[in-house]
Amino acid sequence: ETGVTQTPRHLVMGMTNKKSLKCEQHLGHNAMYWYKQSAKKPLELMFVYNFKEQTENNSVPSRFSPECPNSSHLFLHLHTLQPEDSALYLCASSQGDREYEKLFFGSGTQLSVL
Amino acid sequence: TQLLEQSPQFLSIQEGENLTVYCNSSSVFSSLQWYRQEPGEGPVLLVTVVTGGEVKKLKRLTFQFGDARKDSSLHITAAQPGDTGLYLCAEPYNFNKFYFGSGTKLNVKP
Repeated sequence: ETGVTQTPRHLVMGMTNKKSLKCEQHLGHNAMYWYKQSAKKPLELMFVYNFKEQTENNSVPSRFSPECPNSSHLFLHLHTLQPEDSALYLCASSQGDREYEKLFFGSGTQLSVL
Repeated sequence: TQLLEQSPQFLSIQEGENLTVYCNSSSVFSSLQWYRQEPGEGPVLLVTVVTGGEVKKLKRLTFQFGDARKDSSLHITAAQPGDTGLYLCAEPYNFNKFYFGSGTKLNVKP
């Protein structure tokens, strides 16, 4: 079983739809992240949860809403997205309490907003 | 904000060739990580370098951290198609935060 699992792998949605991305980690980590990856741009950190508490919201529009019910699960709820939100959304986890943290990524959800 | 500059942006080579990609900053890195992202997958951590002048080897990959800890390089010997992917450098800071470079997209042709 892979360490960090994301579903769905691909998602096409209209601008008025509501959908959710799911992430699950089986590594016993305490920190979970959402990153956005667009072409030719560095990975953009969206949200960080450490021990289930949100510690970072990197000026993300409110049409993206994270949820972390426990240390193993992370969701990203999407509503009224814009075409420019089309990107690869990556979930990651890390130990959460180390000086040199290491990120473990899922395979991502490729999102297309029509 | 730390700005990590990676070069080249794109590299297309034949199988068996050697190559080097770079990650530079105007500021000192606390430590530096290299990740490889294969098509359709998430990035996977290859190595973390911490000490200035440090050299680490991972099979055909050699990672070097500059003496002043402002730059790092990744050298691949005898590249293979399986090395194809996006190579990202990243600096961890403040426990749960990372600065990422834009990456070098490598294509190794058989």
